[in-house]
Amino acid sequence: GAGVSQSPRYKVAKRGQDVALRCDPISGHVSLFWYQQALGQGPEFLTYFQNEAQLDKSGLPSDRFFAERPEGSVSTLKIQRTQQEDSAVYLCASSLGGNMNTEAFFGQGTRLTVV
Amino acid sequence: GENVEQHPSTLSVQEGDSAVIKCTYSDSASNYFPWYKQELGKRPQLIIDIRSNVGEKKDQRIAVTLNKTAKHFSLHITETQPEDSAVYFCAASIGGYSTLTFGKGTMLLVSP
Repeated sequence: GAGVSQSPRYKVAKRGQDVALRCDPISGHVSLFWYQQALGQGPEFLTYFQNEAQLDKSGLPSDRFFAERPEGSVSTLKIQRTQQEDSAVYLCASSLGGNMNTEAFFGQGTRLTVV
Repeated sequence: GENVEQHPSTLSVQEGDSAVIKCTYSDSASNYFPWYKQELGKRPQLIIDIRSNVGEKKDQRIAVTLNKTAKHFSLHITETQPEDSAVYFCAASIGGYSTLTFGKGTMLLVSP
């Protein structure tokens, strides 16, 4: 595809349920980022991959959050034992270069609602 | 870490007026400052960016200015149109692989 693709677009999870969010970056993009966007707020950094290496996971809010990019392309963000405070839009972004100073292209996000 | 403050949180203008959104950053090492536009329910899209080696950049009706000494940068939109209505986010990065730190956003409403 031409852009960053995320699935599902919407996810409703019962509290305590595990969820997996998928990101397909633009082909050939080295860098991949996950952001969390709460309602009415700016995106907040969760984690960063350069190819398959997770170089920074300092933004993950708890050990219930886990991300992987095993082959350096598709990435999955997993949230275990979801809580209501996990409700947000999860945005994935990719960029061509090995740093964020090349344009970052965002996906449309996955809106997670925990009930 | 980096902290980005953005003002105002909402901005209403009449079509044809100019709009200015301001951001300040805390880390003097920041050297890349993009602006993103996000329409309701859609993805953030880059509209303009500036690097620390220039003070101003312009692209048609949109311009960004950077004052490194004061650590602030601004987005200027001239001749606003209803389709400019959206949430605008500023961001800052210190370079390398460093991630973007976003402001909280400005909701711009352009009335016909």
